[in-house]
Amino acid sequence: EVQLVESGGGLVQPGGSLRLSCAASGFTFSSYEMNWVRQAPGKGLEWVSYISSSGSTIYYADSVKGRFTISRDNAKNSLYLQMNSLRAEDTAVYYCASPQPGGDYVPGANWGQGTLVTVSS
Amino acid sequence: DIVMTQTPLSLSVTPGQPASISCKSSQSLLHSDGKTYLYWYLQKPGQPPQLLIYEVSNRFSGVPDRFSGSGSGTDFTLKISRVEAEDVGVYYCMQSIQFTWTFGQGTKVEIK
Repeated sequence: EVQLVESGGGLVQPGGSLRLSCAASGFTFSSYEMNWVRQAPGKGLEWVSYISSSGSTIYYADSVKGRFTISRDNAKNSLYLQMNSLRAEDTAVYYCASPQPGGDYVPGANWGQGTLVTVSS
Repeated sequence: DIVMTQTPLSLSVTPGQPASISCKSSQSLLHSDGKTYLYWYLQKPGQPPQLLIYEVSNRFSGVPDRFSGSGSGTDFTLKISRVEAEDVGVYYCMQSIQFTWTFGQGTKVEIK
């Protein structure tokens, strides 16, 4: 069974930094791309970033480009999101999402429970 | 970026009655590989999104057959044949033809 567990959220002041982690289990993490998606309180879903299985291909939403950095450690089955220069509008629950292992290719099949990031003074 | 537009934004349904949600994309979601990368999710209160439908019409593992998806190109529909109380929440369509996923605004479904 695929399990994704996010951690690292919390309260941070505007301009501050935070590093989110996503621990993956139940599938061969190193074989699959991963994504971060966020959801501001009471709002819809916003894709944040993509990283390929090897980490060689990365994409960001324009809203976070230049401030956030996605990375992964395949030896530790972990995905990361380094968030710098945080703004109030970055306040959201951050989810990591993985494909379904095996069978049909389904990129956003599995989601973690999310970790809340609050940017406020 | 591809813009996804859902209608309606809210829906109140009597249990046992059908429901339908529309999703339109600003560009075709038909990829050169022949697949159409349109997905439907349900987000129940306090939970992460759960995948219902992938590639327009394929039910994901464990999804009841009262949920069905249809459409092509830029116009898509999610149908619930007989709404049950457990179907309340916000439904989102999503495209992944580009690596930069985009979601519809969400359709909130409640029970009358």
